Amino acid sequence: AQTVTQSQPEMSVQEAETVTLSCTYDTSESDYYLFWYKQPPSRQMILVIRQEAYKQQNATENRFSVNFQKAAKSFSLKISDSQLGDAAMYFCAYSPLGSARQLTFGSGTQLTVLP
Amino acid sequence: EPEVTQTPSHQVTQMGQEVILHCVPISNHLYFYWYRQILGQKVEFLVSFYNNEISEKSEIFDDQFSVERPDGSNFTLKIRSTKLEDSAMYFCASSTAGSGRIDTQYFGPGTRLTVL
Repeated sequence: AQTVTQSQPEMSVQEAETVTLSCTYDTSESDYYLFWYKQPPSRQMILVIRQEAYKQQNATENRFSVNFQKAAKSFSLKISDSQLGDAAMYFCAYSPLGSARQLTFGSGTQLTVLP
Repeated sequence: EPEVTQTPSHQVTQMGQEVILHCVPISNHLYFYWYRQILGQKVEFLVSFYNNEISEKSEIFDDQFSVERPDGSNFTLKIRSTKLEDSAMYFCASSTAGSGRIDTQYFGPGTRLTVL
């Protein structure tokens, strides 16, 4: 079974600074998808960024980027120029290849942005 | 931008009662999911649904749970006889995988279920 581990229950960052959230996962598959979701206090789950394992190039979405290390099974999220609105719980998630496949989530990292 | 909607936002019920949670997935999506999140815990997969059939289900999704797509737009989760431990946030999600694209799941805002 796949597992996703987020070893940082809480992180904080100064506004306008950069922060990196860690995620590791375990799988025997060679191709799969990885995601970061954000959950603000409203508890809505919002997609931040996604990565296909067969693509070596790291995904980027504006201020959000990932460092995907396939051999190490590591998928960290970097948030640049942090904003107060980035404060949320961040979940890393894994999905096998294909459709209608379950997402396996990590336990989350609570990010606080300090003004 | 199209989004997944869920109703009600908060449901309070007595233990042993049946509840039905409602979801309207994004209109051109083909795959539908239910997840739950007990307060303070990680999000857990319950079930996925495609072509009017369950595709995958977890150990949590036992005989007390069922899903249905009663018409072309709604997707429901029914809990037949609620237990205290069913209290959680329930998220509906939908996805569609076009050719060469990641099957990305988009989540609704959730229904908070409180079982008394």
